[in-house]
Amino acid sequence: EVQLVESGGGLVQPGGSLRLSCAASGFTFDTYAMSWVRQAPGKGLEWVSAITSTGGSTYYADSVKGRFTISRDSSKSTLYLQMNSLRADDTAVYYCAKDRKAPGAWGQGTLVTVSS
Amino acid sequence: QSALTQPASVSESPGQSITISCTGTSSDVGGYNYVSWYQQHPGKVPKLIIHDVSNRPSGVSNRFSGSKSGNTASLTISGLQAEDEADYYCSSYTSSNTLVFGGGTKLTVL
Repeated sequence: EVQLVESGGGLVQPGGSLRLSCAASGFTFDTYAMSWVRQAPGKGLEWVSAITSTGGSTYYADSVKGRFTISRDSSKSTLYLQMNSLRADDTAVYYCAKDRKAPGAWGQGTLVTVSS
Repeated sequence: QSALTQPASVSESPGQSITISCTGTSSDVGGYNYVSWYQQHPGKVPKLIIHDVSNRPSGVSNRFSGSKSGNTASLTISGLQAEDEADYYCSSYTSSNTLVFGGGTKLTVL
């Protein structure tokens, strides 16, 4: 069974940083691209970033480009999202998901709150 | 990276059918067969119900079906049940190697 478990969310001040992690199991991690998708409170889904299976290519939404960095560690079957220069409008539940063209399995999400 | 266009809300009676549209451009919906649909109940994680325009993952009811014509994709739910009441989102792969979601449609089963 595919399992994705996010961690690292929390309360951070504007301008601060956080690193999210997503531990994957139940599938061959290094053969799948991975994605991050977020959902602000009461709002819709927003694609954030994706990374290819090898980590050789990364992609970002315009809203986070230059501030967020996606990466992966195959030895740990873990996906990361380094978030810098956080703003209030980055407040959301962040989900990691398997695949990048049609994300199938999703984690339970981790809440990031940016507030002073 | 403009969001795909979905109706904000739709409603129908139990047992009836309903279709939710998802309109994009030739750079996303119209250009690729990577249109997906997700169902999200309140407080729950989104669930993939259609991928690659019209394919259902294992375990998804055959009451859900997808199609595409030009720049518009559609999700049809037949034999509506109370449990179908949820938010529905479409997504599409894009020419920029990104993914774009629709704004979501709230389905009410009357």
